Amino acid sequence: GENVEQHPSTLSVQEGDSAVIKCTYSDSASNYFPWYKQELGKRPQLIIDIRSNVGEKKDQRIAVTLNKTAKHFSLHITETQPEDSAVYFCAASPSGNTPLVFGKGTRLSVIA
Amino acid sequence: DAGVIQSPRHEVTEMGQEVTLRCKPISGHNSLFWYRQTMMRGLELLIYFNNNVPIDDSGMPEDRFSAKMPNASFSTLKIQPSEPRDSAVYFCASSLSGTAKNIQYFGAGTRLSVL
Repeated sequence: GENVEQHPSTLSVQEGDSAVIKCTYSDSASNYFPWYKQELGKRPQLIIDIRSNVGEKKDQRIAVTLNKTAKHFSLHITETQPEDSAVYFCAASPSGNTPLVFGKGTRLSVIA
Repeated sequence: DAGVIQSPRHEVTEMGQEVTLRCKPISGHNSLFWYRQTMMRGLELLIYFNNNVPIDDSGMPEDRFSAKMPNASFSTLKIQPSEPRDSAVYFCASSLSGTAKNIQYFGAGTRLSVL
């Protein structure tokens, strides 16, 4: 089955700097890669996603890149703000009929 | 749409007691997932249903855990008897599987404390 590895497990950045979180997956059949943000005490919420027919996707300060050959994808947050502090989870799915496989999460701290 | 609704939000119980967690998925969604989240193990998939049928329960830790989905709008996760190591946040999520984007929407979770 699919296995998703996520790094780093914790990340601290200064406000205004960029943050990058990386994930690798094992199943070459995976074609959908969402990212979830979980604030303290809250539920995980989808912030951006990418499908395997696209190499990069941006939404304001966040972007996701995908390298199918290497089987890795990354989340990029630019101009970080304190409210970006949260746990971020990557996930992968081989098809629309199978559940997402989540990475272990990255705790991002943005220091003002 | 109110989203995925879970109850109770918090549950405190004593070891050995039965615990029942409830979930109402988003109307029209055909897949439902139960997760457990702890600091040590992260988000663990316990079981998921497609069209009310359990598909994979390999994540259920022990026979003490059971889950049902009697209809498309309701699911329960039961722990009997409960143990302190079951203390965690339990999330329910739903999605419309079979589509290009397998977006899962999470409920607010149930924080379970077993004393």
